[in-house]
Amino acid sequence: QQPVQSPQAVILREGEDAVINCSSSKALYSVHWYRQKHGEAPVFLMILLKGGEQKGHEKISASFNEKKQQSSLYLTASQLSYSGTYFCAARESTASKLTFGTGTRLQVTL
Amino acid sequence: KAGVTQTPRYLIKTRGQQVTLSCSPISGHRSVSWYQQTPGQGLQFLFEYFSETQRNKGNFPGRFSGRQFSNSRSEMNVSTLELGDSALYLCASSLGHRDTGELFFGEGSRLTVL
Repeated sequence: QQPVQSPQAVILREGEDAVINCSSSKALYSVHWYRQKHGEAPVFLMILLKGGEQKGHEKISASFNEKKQQSSLYLTASQLSYSGTYFCAARESTASKLTFGTGTRLQVTL
Repeated sequence: KAGVTQTPRYLIKTRGQQVTLSCSPISGHRSVSWYQQTPGQGLQFLFEYFSETQRNKGNFPGRFSGRQFSNSRSEMNVSTLELGDSALYLCASSLGHRDTGELFFGEGSRLTVL
């Protein structure tokens, strides 16, 4: 069963912040985050391993709460270039497949 | 260095036919994964190969098969095509070490089944 993301879609004005959540019904070993722009391949943003760590990538950061089997992606001071569909992807163990979440479509407007 | 290359980029088939898609990973990458992407189902995992061995398999019927060659290049085959197989098929490569890094995706092969 694939991780469930919320919200399904969000529209932001440039400069606003957003949070995208990813929730799994199973215990997780790691969570990846990817962004896919329309007509392009998904591009890796970051990976979080169990341990509750938080990572940052410019103005995009993420957290992973292994006890709650949840991860959140934080987008601050959004830019037009942030528009796209965001996917979380999760592994239950080091040997398991990487299962992608349901996706969140984000649109940043002027 | 060159990215992940998928061929063909676009193809049209009719029901009942079969198709073979090819993926050349980034040089040095030993792991290749395949995903099916559709508007309704998102990215669905098909298979993962590492050093010519299938490491994981998704929940797809036996009509979907794949393999990896000694040079890490991979192919996937779909036999007896159905209308529902119309999708973007994405290949991704990685170094192969357990979850220490990102997947690098190719541009995909867009299959249309008529």
